[in-house]
This record gives sequence, structure tokens and C-alpha cells, in this order.
Amino acid sequence: NAGVTQTPKFRILKIGQSMTLQCTQDMNHNYMYWYRQDPGMGLKLIYYSVGAGITDKGEVPNGYNVSRSTTEDFPLRLELAAPSQTSVYFCASSYTSGGSYNEQFFGPGTRLTVL
Amino acid sequence: DQQVKQNSPSLSVQEGRISILNCDYTNSMFDYFLWYKKYPAEGPTFLISISSIKDKNEDGRFTVFLNKSAKHLSLHIVPSQPGDSAVYFCAALQTGANNLFFGTGTRLTVIP
Repeated sequence: NAGVTQTPKFRILKIGQSMTLQCTQDMNHNYMYWYRQDPGMGLKLIYYSVGAGITDKGEVPNGYNVSRSTTEDFPLRLELAAPSQTSVYFCASSYTSGGSYNEQFFGPGTRLTVL
Repeated sequence: DQQVKQNSPSLSVQEGRISILNCDYTNSMFDYFLWYKKYPAEGPTFLISISSIKDKNEDGRFTVFLNKSAKHLSLHIVPSQPGDSAVYFCAALQTGANNLFFGTGTRLTVIP
């Protein structure tokens, strides 16, 4: 199993550009998540999905969109990139969301810089 | 508003000694707590967890202690090994919710 994979690993965007961060998991997990980690800070939840076709906002959703058409894929879309979106983005998945099964498996991250 | 706090950004420990990483939380609704370990250029990996119905959970060299009245938990690593050098994140959630709240992390350096 590859686990959770993310592409690209690095990206530099200009202000106002858009891009999609890709995330795929091969563990047949129902739940998937997008986090961002700013320097010196903890991870903050952007969006999550409890299954194909179902998504919801997390703590910091502004400036992002997501979709979940399959169990495996959970892309994160940035429209009109801003310098405040410079961060490291982590995708994660889990079998369930709560209790003792909430081990979230993380991808390696995408480091995004907006100039 | 940081609901999970790790007040020590870094910790250095000699190999073989005990490492103690601390975490405080403010939300009394949290009932499940996790520690994640992160190496550079990798995603966090799950290390150990504890439910609020327990005050201790042990897994090999790693033990997590929970003090609900103080809203405090700690991770003990004994004995510490150079391979334990990483950033450790404390995280908390309320069962049934989907938002895992992370602390800011503590960078542990184990000196050979």
C-alpha cells in the first residue's frame, strides 16, 4: 500500500493564480482531511469529507474548495492564490472520525509558496 | 484561539535518559488525545493515544499520562534514542466531531 500520496511536493504560485493539490489514498478510508501548517504553528483543518460526495468546512476554509467524487481522491482547489496561503498542506485519511479508530494517516505534504 | 498548547518549542535530552513532552488543552469537551511524530519533509505519523476514561496508556518506550482536572497530558519516552529526534505534536478531539486540534509541536533532539 502506498498509503496517502500528495502531488506536487513543491509549488510556487503568483498572486491570483489557481491550482489544485492532489491527494489519493489506497486504504479504502471513508474520511479524508486537508490541513495546513504555517511556520511554528500546529496543523489546522481546512476541509474534510466523510465519504464520496460529502464534504464540509473545517476551521480555516476561506479561499479553498474541495470535491470528493471517489473514495480514493480528495483534491484541494486554491482559487486566486494569496500570500496568506503560503503554507505546507497535508492530506490525511482515516477509517472513522472519532474514538479509538481516529488514527489519521498523513501524506508527505505539499509546500506551497505564493509570491 | 489555540485550544491545544505545547509551551516548549524544543527539548534536548541525552540518549538513554527520559524525554517528557507536555501538552495543555482548554476545551473540556475533548475526550480523546493523540501524539503524532513528524520527521522533516514527511507527514505526521501516529504514535500513541489515550481516551479520557484512562489516565495512562503505555506502548513500549512511550507512555502518555492524562490529568483531566489540570487539562494536561504528557508523553514520556524511556529510554530516549537518537531516532526519536523529531517534532512531536499533541492533538485532541471530541468524540463524534471531525476536527482534530493540534498543538504547535515540540522539537525533540536526542543527543548521542
